[in-house]
Amino acid sequence: EVQLVESGGGLVQPGRSLKLSCAASGFTFSDYNMAWVRQAPKKGLEWVATISYDGSSTYYRDSVKGRFTISRDNAKSTLYLQMDSLRSEDTATYYCARPINYGYTPFDYWGQGVMVTVSS
Amino acid sequence: DVQMTQSPSNLAASPGESVSINCKASKSISKYLAWYQQKPGKANKLLIYSGSTLQSGTPSRFSGSGSGTDFTLTIRNLEPEDFGLYYCQQHNEYPPTFGSGTKLEIK
Repeated sequence: EVQLVESGGGLVQPGRSLKLSCAASGFTFSDYNMAWVRQAPKKGLEWVATISYDGSSTYYRDSVKGRFTISRDNAKSTLYLQMDSLRSEDTATYYCARPINYGYTPFDYWGQGVMVTVSS
Repeated sequence: DVQMTQSPSNLAASPGESVSINCKASKSISKYLAWYQQKPGKANKLLIYSGSTLQSGTPSRFSGSGSGTDFTLTIRNLEPEDFGLYYCQQHNEYPPTFGSGTKLEIK
């Protein structure tokens, strides 16, 4: 059974950093590209970043470029999102997601999400 | 970025009825549209991709149609477990973009 379990969320002050993790199981993690998608409170879904199966390519939405870094450790089957210079508008539930059929999107498996609150 | 406009925002229906949710792209996305269901306490569920391809496990009462800029999700013979939030997402180009969501409630 495919499982994606996020961790590392919490309350953080504006300008500070936070690192999210996503532990994957039930599939060969190193075969799949992976992504982070977020959802601000009472708002819709928003793609954040994607990393290729081997970590050689990364893609970001414009609003997080230069502040967020997506990475992975295939030996640990874990996906990461390093979030620096956090802003109030980054407040959201962050989901780890696996794209379907070895592609980049859409996403056939999602984690339950982890909440990140950026506030002083 | 491709803007996705979803309608209606809210929809109320009774079990056994049929409903349709629409999604319009700001430019042609060929057939590359996905539909998701979101429910509290559950992982988001991919229902349909490439416009009309049912994801494994999606009941046949769900169907997707459309191409270019206009797409529709139809749910026939609504079951109680179908109530929740629905999102469309274009997967034709990067960045992938989502619609604003449709809340399907029990009448």
